[in-house]
Amino acid sequence: GENVEQHPSTLSVQEGDSAVIKCTYSDSASNYFPWYKQELGKGPQLIIDIRSNVGEKKDQRIAVTLNKTAKHFSLHITETQPEDSAVYFCAALLSGSARQLTFGSGTQLTVLP
Amino acid sequence: IAGITQAPTSQILAAGRRMTLRCTQDMRHNAMYWYRQDLGLGLRLIHYSNTAGTTGKGEVPDGYSVSRANTDDFPLTLASAVPSQTSVYFCASSVLAGGPDTQYFGPGTRLTVL
Repeated sequence: GENVEQHPSTLSVQEGDSAVIKCTYSDSASNYFPWYKQELGKGPQLIIDIRSNVGEKKDQRIAVTLNKTAKHFSLHITETQPEDSAVYFCAALLSGSARQLTFGSGTQLTVLP
Repeated sequence: IAGITQAPTSQILAAGRRMTLRCTQDMRHNAMYWYRQDLGLGLRLIHYSNTAGTTGKGEVPDGYSVSRANTDDFPLTLASAVPSQTSVYFCASSVLAGGPDTQYFGPGTRLTVL
C-alpha cells in the first residue's frame, strides 16, 4: 500500500514570510495529491490539489509542486497571515481498483504576528 | 445545505460499552468515509462506502463496523469499546468513489473510552 511521510510536524513563521511543507510518497503509481487545512475544532478542508501530469499549481498565495521522479510534493504558502495558522495534511491517492487517500501525519503551522 | 453532520459532538464511554457514531450528508454524494485522527498519526481510514449498499475496510478497521443502508447515512459502530479507540472521528463524503475527488469532512466526534 501507499505510505506518505510529512515534514515538519510543527512550523513557526513570522507573518509575511513563506512556509513550506514537504511530503514524500512510496508508490510511484500514485497520481493525485491533495492538501487539506484543518482549523481548530473543525474538519479538514481541501485547499489545493495536483495531479501527476502537472508539475506545479498555484492558487493566489498557495502553490503545490510535484517531483514524480523523487516521489515528493510540497505546499508553499507565501505572504503568510495569522489566519493561515492551522494543521495541514498532505495526501496521496494510489491508482488502481481499490483507491483510497493515504494522509500524512500533519503539520501544525503557526504564523506569528 | 448543511453538508455533513456528525453526532454526538463528544462522548465519554466506559470500556466494553457499545457506541454508534452517526453521520449524515445532504449532498447526495456516492462515497462516504470514516477516519480517526490521533496526534502524530494524521488521518487513518477506518471504513469506506463507494455507494449505498456496499462497504469496504480501510487501514484500521478492527473493532469497528459500518453500514450504508441509504445514500445519506453512514453510521460507525464500536461493538465493545476499548481505551485505544479514544480518538477524534471524522466522517467524510465525495461525489466520486475511489477517484481524484474532493472529500468533504464533518466537524468530528471526540470520543473518550475509559
